[in-house]
Amino acid sequence: AQSVTQLDSHVSVSEGTPVLLRCNYSSSYSPSLFWYVQHPNKGLQLLLKYTSAATLVKGINGFEAEFKKSETSFHLTKPSAHMSDAAEYFCVVSDSRASGGSYIPTFGRGTSLIVHP
Amino acid sequence: KAGVTQTPRYLIKTRGQQVTLSCSPISGHRSVSWYQQTPGQGLQFLFEYFSETQRNKGNFPGRFSGRQFSNSRSEMNVSTLELGDSALYLCASSLRASGGYEQYFGPGTRLTVT
Repeated sequence: AQSVTQLDSHVSVSEGTPVLLRCNYSSSYSPSLFWYVQHPNKGLQLLLKYTSAATLVKGINGFEAEFKKSETSFHLTKPSAHMSDAAEYFCVVSDSRASGGSYIPTFGRGTSLIVHP
Repeated sequence: KAGVTQTPRYLIKTRGQQVTLSCSPISGHRSVSWYQQTPGQGLQFLFEYFSETQRNKGNFPGRFSGRQFSNSRSEMNVSTLELGDSALYLCASSLRASGGYEQYFGPGTRLTVT
């Protein structure tokens, strides 16, 4: 079975400081991993994805994530937070072999990023 | 290119009623997935349709059903509504069957059951 744990329900940073949103996953195989962002009253938007290519993945809006198999982690980072980054962030794992041949994505519970001026 | 659209955006229903939600995917996308989002359970996968066939199904009771039409538009139906069905229902489309491919989400339908 696959699972994903977002280690912080809330992260608070000041504008201009680095952002770190932590995600650990569990999968018996080589999963696909994603980060999505959800702004209030909006749908989810893909930030970046890992699908067994380069372990350091660059996404939109200056975000990036590093896949570390030994630590089963896929943490999301950004060098400098902007006020517009305030939103809910979701880590997602998906592995066809864990789901009996079908991709059923599993979402983390989300991390709320708060950015102070 | 137009994004994923969902109708209606807001809906209020009474316990015991049924409801149908609609989703129009991005043009050319053949996969449509449905999710339920609640504060208590987070985001949960309901089902996925690809080329009019249900490919995957989450752990939801049979009251939740869906279908996909030849133009890839999808509908989701919930019968015998319960208070616990109050949630944001999100639809997502993908060029191919989901998994390794990114999904594009609509704004959601906010369902309130009273």
